[in-house]
Amino acid sequence: ETGVTQTPRHLVMGMTNKKSLKCEQHLGHNAMYWYKQSAKKPLELMFVYNFKEQTENNSVPSRFSPECPNSSHLFLHLHTLQPEDSALYLCASSQVGGRSVNEKLFFGSGTQLSVL
Amino acid sequence: DQQVKQNSPSLSVQEGRISILNCDYTNSMFDYFLWYKKYPAEGPTFLISISSIKDKNEDGRFTVFLNKSAKHLSLHIVPSQPGDSAVYFCAASVGGTASKLTFGTGTRLQVTL
Repeated sequence: ETGVTQTPRHLVMGMTNKKSLKCEQHLGHNAMYWYKQSAKKPLELMFVYNFKEQTENNSVPSRFSPECPNSSHLFLHLHTLQPEDSALYLCASSQVGGRSVNEKLFFGSGTQLSVL
Repeated sequence: DQQVKQNSPSLSVQEGRISILNCDYTNSMFDYFLWYKKYPAEGPTFLISISSIKDKNEDGRFTVFLNKSAKHLSLHIVPSQPGDSAVYFCAASVGGTASKLTFGTGTRLQVTL
């Protein structure tokens, strides 16, 4: 399997539930990202991990908790979410540094989350 | 404050004609620009990019134009095909860093027969 894969594709959860989103990249990249896409809004960067270390937290509420056990896997743990958190959550990866100065993001298909 | 703006939420073009998607930015420090394409139920995929040292980059049917003085970017698709129907996102960064990409809200292109 190639690229960036995300599971589940769809998730419906109540406000008191705990769930996790999973992302796996097969591109040999060293950086992984979580983005949120809400209707009619730009993609919002949530978290960045470089070499398994979190390098960016874009003022994300603590009810979203990321985990990066290695450079190929990324999780987003969800706890006591609100209905306004309903959105498409996209995982991405990239190769940071190296010979190419201009970096590109490679995205997964996303998890469509609905919070009831 | 949105630093990357795509003011047209949608565009409809006839097959075979030219599609022109526009993007404006406010941050003069941006020096690397990308276009992504997104089909329903799929993640965005990279389409074409341009560095600020150029004013044009071409890849097959896709050409991106950069007007730095106007802080304006456009994507031309010629000829347009039904398979080009998708949402197109403009993105920009400083120093070519993926972790600092700022995205627009997207333009939905519909190519009609």
